[in-house]
Amino acid sequence: AQSVTQPDIHITVSEGASLELRCNYSYGATPYLFWYVQSPGQGLQLLLKYFSGDTLVQGIKGFEAEFKRSQSSFNLRKPSVHWSDAAEYFCAVGFMNRDDKIIFGKGTRLHILP
Amino acid sequence: EAGVAQSPRYKIIEKRQSVAFWCNPISGHATLYWYQQILGQGPKLLIQFQNNGVVDDSQLPKDRFSAERLKGVDSTLKIQPAKLEDSAVYLCASSLDPDMNTEAFFGQGTRLTVV
Repeated sequence: AQSVTQPDIHITVSEGASLELRCNYSYGATPYLFWYVQSPGQGLQLLLKYFSGDTLVQGIKGFEAEFKRSQSSFNLRKPSVHWSDAAEYFCAVGFMNRDDKIIFGKGTRLHILP
Repeated sequence: EAGVAQSPRYKIIEKRQSVAFWCNPISGHATLYWYQQILGQGPKLLIQFQNNGVVDDSQLPKDRFSAERLKGVDSTLKIQPAKLEDSAVYLCASSLDPDMNTEAFFGQGTRLTVV
């Protein structure tokens, strides 16, 4: 069955530290991959996406993600976090079948220590 | 360009009452999704439309939830009767074409509280 796993429910990092949020998927082929961010009371904003080509994808706000086919992963990274990055982050996967639906992980809440 | 519009932003109803949410997708977007996001969880797909046809409604509780997309543009999601566990944010999203070579754009959602 198709699934998306974000193993970390909460992550706390210090401001200025590096960040990596994990995402794994289960699917028989290469899916479309997305990372969204959701601030409290706000809608979902797309950070970056991968459809094909270069497996290292650059996004907005200094984020990047790397698609690793062998590990079925699409981890989100940022070299130096800012207090404004505190939010909930969702990995989402689009599956290329007749349904073409997008499935979300359960999210990782990022806390930033001053 | 205008984004995905949803209304109302907030709704409080008593259990067993009915409620309806409205979504206007981005102009020209063929695919429309309704997601339910319970507090502390990721969005769960309820129903997906391709133009005015249903592509996937496997996770829609059909005994109480219904959705339609007349003329392949606006969509409404209805709950009748509501239960306490329906309290959630209901997100509408749209994407450009069936090939899925674009991301989904989300509205700000409707926060439903059932008391």
